[in-house]
Amino acid sequence: DQQVKQNSPSLSVQEGRISILNCDYTNSMFDYFLWYKKYPAEGPTFLISISSIKDKNEDGRFTVFLNKSAKHLSLHIVPSQPGDSAVYFCAAPGIYNQGGKLIFGQGTELSVKP
Amino acid sequence: KAGVTQTPRYLIKTRGQQVTLSCSPISGHRSVSWYQQTPGQGLQFLFEYFSETQRNKGNFPGRFSGRQFSNSRSEMNVSTLELGDSALYLCASSLATNEKLFFGSGTQLSVL
Repeated sequence: DQQVKQNSPSLSVQEGRISILNCDYTNSMFDYFLWYKKYPAEGPTFLISISSIKDKNEDGRFTVFLNKSAKHLSLHIVPSQPGDSAVYFCAAPGIYNQGGKLIFGQGTELSVKP
Repeated sequence: KAGVTQTPRYLIKTRGQQVTLSCSPISGHRSVSWYQQTPGQGLQFLFEYFSETQRNKGNFPGRFSGRQFSNSRSEMNVSTLELGDSALYLCASSLATNEKLFFGSGTQLSVL
């Protein structure tokens, strides 16, 4: 049972344009969500989070939107830069110790073309 | 503050062998989690340790085991390796009451 899903394995955008990465979840009890970014040969690093009581959180070029009724969140990167090319994972906290401290989606590989 | 350190960075083993991976968490972090990353599968949770006790375990066979020492360092062991065990194994540490995970660079295991 995949509780956090990223259905797009890859995304390619031009430098300067907007990148939109999507994530769907099934458990309405998640009380916050996180995005992690991973470069090759490195571990994932925390990027941005959002509480379930909010519908938007912004940090510089990165904005996460949460639509609870649709059980959907998205990460917007504006403007996209070549250095943003990485794999992005959305994550939610494991509930009742199921699935670990964080449950991750499959990841979306973003490629930003100069 | 030093980050999460995993050793070794790369390992090549053959089927049937066993392997031990090591993880040193960030100083002061008492929770250590292990994840397996394979292409298309994202990060699959293996287990979590806190104060030398396994708190949580994912859906992996018993060939995968781990432990945590009194200094919070952790090891995971995979016995009777199979080709499908080839993956990046990531260790992450966190404060006890904070779910934000800090990851190491991982150990890339190749089983031939």
